[in-house]
Amino acid sequence: GQQLNQSPQSMFIQEGEDVSMNCTSSSIFNTWLWYKQDPGEGPVLLIALYKAGELTSNGRLTAQFGITRKDSFLNISASIPSDVGIYFCAGLRGSQGNLIFGKGTKLSVKP
Amino acid sequence: GAGVSQSPSNKVTEKGKDVELRCDPISGHTALYWYRQSLGQGLEFLIYFQGNSAPDKSGLPSDRFSAERTGGSVSTLTIQRTQQEDSAVYLCASSLGSLGLGNTGELFFGEGSRLTVL
Repeated sequence: GQQLNQSPQSMFIQEGEDVSMNCTSSSIFNTWLWYKQDPGEGPVLLIALYKAGELTSNGRLTAQFGITRKDSFLNISASIPSDVGIYFCAGLRGSQGNLIFGKGTKLSVKP
Repeated sequence: GAGVSQSPSNKVTEKGKDVELRCDPISGHTALYWYRQSLGQGLEFLIYFQGNSAPDKSGLPSDRFSAERTGGSVSTLTIQRTQQEDSAVYLCASSLGSLGLGNTGELFFGEGSRLTVL
């Protein structure tokens, strides 16, 4: 079945450091989405990417849609304690249907 | 309410019992999804409803799992003869439906129903 391989599985960083995580797939996706999940909550959308090669920023977050449409990365600059949580990548093949999620990257930030 | 509402938030049941989990999506959202999140795992797709179309049930793990969506709104996920491996957080999400015309494809998630099977 379709799978998204997300790495790293977890990260422990110092406040102020930059963070990078990525997602790869053997299948092409037309849309890549990055979500964040806080403890006890449902995931919330951070960034959506629609075009191969697209680079999009949202505050301290930057994400890119790989040219091959089989990968994406998310960068967080100057991390702060509230960045703690689980970050998921998700892919959509068509214009509708179920989103396929990666297994998540758990981020811990030491003040 | 303004967001996706799920109930119960927590459910503890004995092995072999049936459970029903409810999801009330955002008003006007035509697409509704159920995902399962086991401890330390990602989101496993279960089932997807889009408008009046036949649901995509390809993610349901066994015939003990079923879901309905009545009147294009509220959905119920039913697990029959629960097993310990069914213990997980069951997340419901809704969206506007197909991408385009201002729809980013964003799924709006509820807070989940945590199921524990003893």
